[in-house]
Amino acid sequence: AQTVTQSQPEMSVQEAETVTLSCTYDTSENNYYLFWYKQPPSRQMILVIRQEAYKQQNATENRFSVNFQKAAKSFSLKISDSQLGDTAMYFCAAGGTYKYIFGTGTRLKVLA
Amino acid sequence: NAGVTQTPKFQVLKTGQSMTLQCAQDMNHEYMSWYRQDPGMGLRLIHYSVGAGITDQGEVPNGYNVSRSTTEDFPLRLLSAAPSQTSVYFCASSYFPQINTEAFFGQGTRLTVV
Repeated sequence: AQTVTQSQPEMSVQEAETVTLSCTYDTSENNYYLFWYKQPPSRQMILVIRQEAYKQQNATENRFSVNFQKAAKSFSLKISDSQLGDTAMYFCAAGGTYKYIFGTGTRLKVLA
Repeated sequence: NAGVTQTPKFQVLKTGQSMTLQCAQDMNHEYMSWYRQDPGMGLRLIHYSVGAGITDQGEVPNGYNVSRSTTEDFPLRLLSAAPSQTSVYFCASSYFPQINTEAFFGQGTRLTVV
């Protein structure tokens, strides 16, 4: 069975600063992927970044990067130079055989 | 590109009524799924399908039925709506068996059962 845990229900950050969202997971899969999705007030689910579990190099997408610690089963998201448009709910997810498992989400508010 | 289309976007039902949430995708994805999103509980998998004619239960399947007669469509049926089914419902699709690719989501349906 897979589980994904996000222990920070809410966070806030000042505009232009850096924030890190935490995620831990547990899986019995040998091959899996990890994802961060963003859900703005529009409700649309948007992929932010993905990480292949067999790759040691941390994924980066512009201002978004991950810190993937496979042994610790940790997958945190770092947002640099935070912008007002980053205000959203962020979901961590693990993709394995036949399903994606989502965490409970972290609501991030970027303050002007 | 339409992607994943869900209808309706909003719905109010009375307890005991039935209805079908529609989901269609035009990306030729084999894998389709339904999630419900509730405050503090994230997205929970209701049912999924790995291809036409094949469906299976997810984490919270009770009270819901699905079928997959075509690759494009994956409707979700509420048999007898209950207030506990008040939620936001998302349909998602992706390539299969490459579950490691991203899931594409519909816009969601906000369902209220009174």
